[in-house]
Amino acid sequence: NAGVTQTPKFQVLKTGQSMTLQCAQDMNHNSMYWYRQDPGMGLRLIYYSASEGTTDKGEVPNGYNVSRLNKREFSLRLESAAPSQTSVYFCATKRGLAGSYNEQFFGPGTRLTVL
Amino acid sequence: AQSVTQLDSQVPVFEEAPVELRCNYSSSVSVYLFWYVQYPNQGLQLLLKYLSGSTLVKGINGFEAEFNKSQTSFHLRKPSVHISDTAEYFCAVTMTGGGNKLTFGTGTQLKVEL
Repeated sequence: NAGVTQTPKFQVLKTGQSMTLQCAQDMNHNSMYWYRQDPGMGLRLIYYSASEGTTDKGEVPNGYNVSRLNKREFSLRLESAAPSQTSVYFCATKRGLAGSYNEQFFGPGTRLTVL
Repeated sequence: AQSVTQLDSQVPVFEEAPVELRCNYSSSVSVYLFWYVQYPNQGLQLLLKYLSGSTLVKGINGFEAEFNKSQTSFHLRKPSVHISDTAEYFCAVTMTGGGNKLTFGTGTQLKVEL
């Protein structure tokens, strides 16, 4: 089992360009999350999906959109990239009911640089 | 609202020495606490968690943490560290009814030296 996979691993964009970060899981988990990690700031939640067909904003949603394509896949889109979106992006999943306190499982991350 | 404070951004320690990484939280309701570890260029993985019951929680790789409600703390400890423990450690909290949202601390970089 691959667990949680993310593509691409690295990406360089110019300001104003768009791109989609892909996340897929083979763990049959209901909940999926997108975080960004910045030095000295820990991880901050961008968007999450408690179940297939639902998405909700997290702490820092501005400039991003998400799609829960099916149970396995949860994508993050930057419509017009800005240098402030330079970060490492992590996808995570969680088993069980939407409000459960189970652990989250993280992908390896996507390192994005916006010039 | 919930928040987590990790006051130490970096903790250097010699191999085989004990270590404590500090975590304090703020919440007005019952909390559920987690410690995650991130090795270089990898995602996070769970070390241990406190949901209820015994306040001393044991995790993987010889780590343990103690939930102290009166001091609103959840410090991580290991009696003897190894070079392979060099990593960044994150404390995280969620509260009753907030199972979908983990709030992470800013992380503590543990550097184990020979």
